[in-house]
Amino acid sequence: GQQLNQSPQSMFIQEGEDVSMNCTSSSIFNTWLWYKQDPGEGPVLLIALYKAGELTSNGRLTAQFGITRKDSFLNISASIPSDVGIYFCAAPAPQGGSEKLVFGKGTKLTVNP
Amino acid sequence: GAGVSQSPSNKVTEKGKDVELRCDPISGHTALYWYRQSLGQGLEFLIYFQGNSAPDKSGLPSDRFSAERTGGSVSTLTIQRTQQEDSAVYLCASSRTLDRGQYFGPGTRLLVL
Repeated sequence: GQQLNQSPQSMFIQEGEDVSMNCTSSSIFNTWLWYKQDPGEGPVLLIALYKAGELTSNGRLTAQFGITRKDSFLNISASIPSDVGIYFCAAPAPQGGSEKLVFGKGTKLTVNP
Repeated sequence: GAGVSQSPSNKVTEKGKDVELRCDPISGHTALYWYRQSLGQGLEFLIYFQGNSAPDKSGLPSDRFSAERTGGSVSTLTIQRTQQEDSAVYLCASSRTLDRGQYFGPGTRLLVL
């Protein structure tokens, strides 16, 4: 089945640093989604990408939909303590419609003040 | 407007007992999804409802798991004869259309002793 390979698994950074994480797959996807999950909460949608090559920003977050449609990255600029959490990439499983989301295993971000 | 709500937020049960988990989707969202998240893992798709169509049950791990959605709104996930490996966070999500991002509830944390 489709798998999303997300890296890195974890990151420890200082406040103010920029962060970059990515997601790759051997399958082609038509949509890429990035979620953030805080402890004890459900994932929250950060950015949705719908077109190959698309670059979308949401405040300090920027995400890109790879040209090959097999990858995406998420950048966080000038990190702050509240950026702490687990970031997941996700994409709708291509077969049988886009009902199911396939998730990466997440990147756990720790920001030291 | 209200987001996706789930109840209970936490459930502790004994092995062999049945449990019911409830999800109230965002008003107007026709698609509803259940996912399971084990400790430190990404999300695993369980079941999907879209309008009056037959649900996609392909992710249910065994016949002890079932779900229904009444009146196209509230959904209940039932786990019969619970096992310790069923311990996880059960997340519900809803969306307006198939290709747009899914919005998650806070989850139900299930612990089977």
